[in-house]
Amino acid sequence: SSQLTQDPAVSVALGQTVRITCQGDSLRSYFASWYQQKPGQAPILVIYGKNSRPSGIPDRFSGSASGNTASLTITGAQAEDEADYYCDSRDSSGHTWVFGGGTKLTVL
Amino acid sequence: EVQLVESGGGLVKPGGSLRLSCVASGFTFSTFSMHWVRQAPGKGLEWISSISSTSSHIYHSESVRGRFTISRDNAKNSVYLQMNSLRVEDTAVYYCARRNVLAPVGIRFDFYDLWGQGTLVTVSS
Repeated sequence: SSQLTQDPAVSVALGQTVRITCQGDSLRSYFASWYQQKPGQAPILVIYGKNSRPSGIPDRFSGSASGNTASLTITGAQAEDEADYYCDSRDSSGHTWVFGGGTKLTVL
Repeated sequence: EVQLVESGGGLVKPGGSLRLSCVASGFTFSTFSMHWVRQAPGKGLEWISSISSTSSHIYHSESVRGRFTISRDNAKNSVYLQMNSLRVEDTAVYYCARRNVLAPVGIRFDFYDLWGQGTLVTVSS
């Protein structure tokens, strides 16, 4: 089955820009979506489709994709952005779904 | 209010069974695919089951296939996860989630736009 690979941990200085990546063969066929999860809470959607944000998600969050890689960029990271971030997409079969292993973002 | 509320979690012995429920409110439940996603303690998210709006398409991950069964009752705005032959490694928070699909011209994408609060399943002797 397909896998999505994320860096386990990334850090960023307050106010700086950080990119979190997600790699997988299925991303050549399907868009990734991105979720933020804080401790003890359910995940929330932050980016979907080509680069769309649900209402309530700040515009410092953006998404992009190229080849087998999807990226989540936070421009001007804030302390409240410290969380785990997961990508997900359909598996290459199109009938199952897969999450990346997650990236723990630390805002310094 | 648009929400999903799970229930049915608890402590069960290895080999036992449990049935999780997820009740939806605030939206037209019968038009959405629904999924179950779990998260073991300290671990990442894992997709385990999905069911289409009319129950015509059902899929399970390899890790639960043959042991877990997803179902839904659109009249009750509910989706269920019957879990049999439970193992210690099934210990996790189980989330139900709504899978939304958008299909602008020439493009199709889907994503989880609504999650429940999760219900904890602990498998231990």
